[in-house]
Amino acid sequence: EVHLVESGGGLVQPGGSLRLSCSVSGFIFSSYWMSWVRQAPGKGLEWVANIREDGSEKYYVDSVKGRFTISRDNAKNSLYVQMNSLRVEDTAVYYCARVFWTAAGLYFDYWGQGTLVTVSS
Amino acid sequence: QSVLTQPPSVSGAPGQRVAISCTGSSSDIGAGFDVHWYQQLPGATPKLLIYANSNRPSGVPDRFSGSRSGTSASLAITGLQAEDEADYYCQSYDNSLSGSVFGGGTKLTVL
Repeated sequence: EVHLVESGGGLVQPGGSLRLSCSVSGFIFSSYWMSWVRQAPGKGLEWVANIREDGSEKYYVDSVKGRFTISRDNAKNSLYVQMNSLRVEDTAVYYCARVFWTAAGLYFDYWGQGTLVTVSS
Repeated sequence: QSVLTQPPSVSGAPGQRVAISCTGSSSDIGAGFDVHWYQQLPGATPKLLIYANSNRPSGVPDRFSGSRSGTSASLAITGLQAEDEADYYCQSYDNSLSGSVFGGGTKLTVL
């Protein structure tokens, strides 16, 4: 059974940093792209970043470029996102999600339970 | 503001049919990229409901169906049940972003 478990969320001041982790099991982690998707309180879903199976390609939504870094450790079956220069508007539940590519795009077939990041002074 | 446009809310009585629209642009749905749908029950994690426009993952009832045409897509739910009350999101891909785009979500209320 596929499991994704996020951790590392919490309260941080504006301008601060936080590193989220996602530990996965139940599938061959090194064979899949992975993503982070976030959801601000009471708001919709927003894709944040993607990373290729071997970490050689990484893509970000414009609002986090230069501040967030997605990474992975295939030996540890773990996905990460380092979040720097955090802003109030980064407050959200952050989900890690497994990516499945089709011939015409991608979708997220498995999701973690999410971890809450609150940016506030 | 979300890239894909969905109605904020829809409603229907038990047993009825509802449809949720998802409108994109020439850079996402109109460019030929697939549309996918997610169901988020209250307080829960999003769950894949429809993938690649019209395909249901194992375990999703056939009351749920999807379609895509031009720059739009639609999710239809027939035989509405109380447990269908949830938020529904469409998602596609934007090649210029090398990333995914979501709709703003539609809250389904079962009357």
